[in-house]
Amino acid sequence: DTEVTQTPKHLVMGMTNKKSLKCEQHMGHRAMYWYKQKAKKPPELMFVYSYEKLSINESVPSRFSPECPNSSLLNLHLHALQPEDSALYLCASSQGLAGLFAQYFGPGTRLTVT
Amino acid sequence: QKEVEQNSGPLSVPEGAIASLNCTYSDRGSQSFFWYRQYSGKSPELIMFIYSNGDKEDGRFTAQLNKASQYVSLLIRDSQPSDSATYLCAVKRNTGNQFYFGTGTSLTVIP
Repeated sequence: DTEVTQTPKHLVMGMTNKKSLKCEQHMGHRAMYWYKQKAKKPPELMFVYSYEKLSINESVPSRFSPECPNSSLLNLHLHALQPEDSALYLCASSQGLAGLFAQYFGPGTRLTVT
Repeated sequence: QKEVEQNSGPLSVPEGAIASLNCTYSDRGSQSFFWYRQYSGKSPELIMFIYSNGDKEDGRFTAQLNKASQYVSLLIRDSQPSDSATYLCAVKRNTGNQFYFGTGTSLTVIP
């Protein structure tokens, strides 16, 4: 089973709202990722967690705040977003860090900021 | 120089033909190579990965890796209209947690 789940599937929020995206995997993977993807562009890395610790933050604005409560869950807290933050937000996981491990994506959350 | 490069296409092939998708990478320390298929509005789906030089076959898909030339390709035999999608090449170094993606190649299979 290579399933990564994400909720919600769609989210519309105003620029003053606070919302959270949720990601879950039960494959025992120890690395989890948040990506942002705009139309006709490749996924753009935002954050990497390994063993529940933040490993990479790709200079993401502070209005995006990641959280990894446990090895199966990854959250992305959103606050005071801008319309240009509208995109498909993808969560992914991989079994390990270095080495020969594939990365599996969840179905994504389509975010619209109004 | 970009970490991973792909022709953006679009690539059009007739149904039943072989589609050939190509990818080059810049870091010789790269160790693992992945092909993802992404339908419009959906998330990327892993279809193949390869670690060793040579060919790896899985059904209608064959991944080819040439580390000396820093080149990885994906062949799709007997192409079907359902193969129409964007194909993303991703590369991972042996150290570090990051996957590097190409910009993707758009494939259209014409019935």
